[in-house]
Amino acid sequence: QVVLTQSPSASASLGASVRLTCTLSSGHSDYIISWHQQQPQRGPRFLMSLNSDGSHSRGGGIPDRFSGSSSGTERYLTISSLQSEDEADYYCLTWGSGIFVFGGGTKLTVL
Amino acid sequence: QITLKESGPARVKPTQTLTLTCTISGFSLNTLGVGVGWVRQAPGEALEWLALIYWDDDKRYVPSLKNRLTITGDASKNQVLLTVTNVDPSDTATYYCAHLIVTGPTGNAFDIWGQGTMVTVSS
Repeated sequence: QVVLTQSPSASASLGASVRLTCTLSSGHSDYIISWHQQQPQRGPRFLMSLNSDGSHSRGGGIPDRFSGSSSGTERYLTISSLQSEDEADYYCLTWGSGIFVFGGGTKLTVL
Repeated sequence: QITLKESGPARVKPTQTLTLTCTISGFSLNTLGVGVGWVRQAPGEALEWLALIYWDDDKRYVPSLKNRLTITGDASKNQVLLTVTNVDPSDTATYYCAHLIVTGPTGNAFDIWGQGTMVTVSS
């Protein structure tokens, strides 16, 4: 069964860029994932789906400040021109062997 | 516009059965390729996927809870129900339903989420 690993926390300054990482367990480098944002006290919001070749498709209304890329078993979410409202938890999600699996989430702090 | 809205009891007692309803609009459960899933989040914890139902009534469950979960769809009412049997305090969580999209030949994701409904299990 696939496992997704995320760092528990990250931080970056207002206006800067940050890259969050979601690592797939060994042997799953071809898996498609999706990124989801959860602002404080709110439900999750779909940001994008991200393929193993780095191609990605953003959800409706998601600004192009949010982009995705891939390398091997790593899937990245890059947020540029950080804004205060980007302070949130970010989760990756994948589908494999007939089930969904979430990563543990990364809490992003905007300084 | 696709929307989903969860509803259910705010509080249930241990050992009882919890039934949650997801009311959908903007799409039909009968449409080829459609799916609806349930996800929960215990206070301060990560998201946890629970169950998924497809348009053809195919159902999938998280292995760790499979024997306690049942997902059903009622296309005539535009509803997807989730039952959780024999609840205990560890089932205290916000429960979300979400719309499924196919992201590739082997990929699925949730692209539209409901607002969630909080359930507390306590005597």
